[in-house]
Amino acid sequence: DTEVTQTPKHLVMGMTNKKSLKCEQHMGHRAMYWYKQKAKKPPELMFVYSYEKLSINESVPSRFSPECPNSSLLNLHLHALQPEDSALYLCASSRGQGGLTNEKLFFGSGTQLSVL
Amino acid sequence: KQEVTQIPAALSVPEGENLVLNCSFTDSAIYNLQWFRQDPGKGLTSLLLIQSSQREQTSGRLNASLDKSSGRSTLYIAASQPGDSATYLCAVKRNRDDKIIFGKGTRLHILP
Repeated sequence: DTEVTQTPKHLVMGMTNKKSLKCEQHMGHRAMYWYKQKAKKPPELMFVYSYEKLSINESVPSRFSPECPNSSLLNLHLHALQPEDSALYLCASSRGQGGLTNEKLFFGSGTQLSVL
Repeated sequence: KQEVTQIPAALSVPEGENLVLNCSFTDSAIYNLQWFRQDPGKGLTSLLLIQSSQREQTSGRLNASLDKSSGRSTLYIAASQPGDSATYLCAVKRNRDDKIIFGKGTRLHILP
């Protein structure tokens, strides 16, 4: 299994809603990432988890709350989002265990989020 | 501050042609460089990863080169096919624990 699975694929939410994005991988990877991508722009890093601990937070607003319940799962909890938060949210993973062959990022297909 | 630039932003070529995509970066002290492919509305697929000590990597019809001293990388695609149409992104990593910096990508369209 070389896949990173993201659910849901599409999400429409109001500014007062609470929702969660989910990401799952079974490749034994110990580093997991959340990226945000606006149309025709490159991905922007939001969070990095290494061995289930938050290692990088790119000054993301608190209305985005990441969670890593175990080594295979990564969630992104959303609350009180703004319309400008509408974007493609991508999850990625890498082996994160050092070594020259362990740097490749494997991306999920993303969740297309629309905030109304 | 590391900046990654990809030129051109968009490229259309007839099927069967060989082509080169360019990537430049401002700080030559990099840990590795990756080339990704992204189809519309989809995630990214890592195509090739070049460590800072390497000069090139090959996979099938793809060949990526790295010249750290000049801050340049190229992705060579041989015998292009319509299925190669996608956005190609270049990304560099400054050191092992640092984040990846993406270029804005080149949108490639292969004409049947």
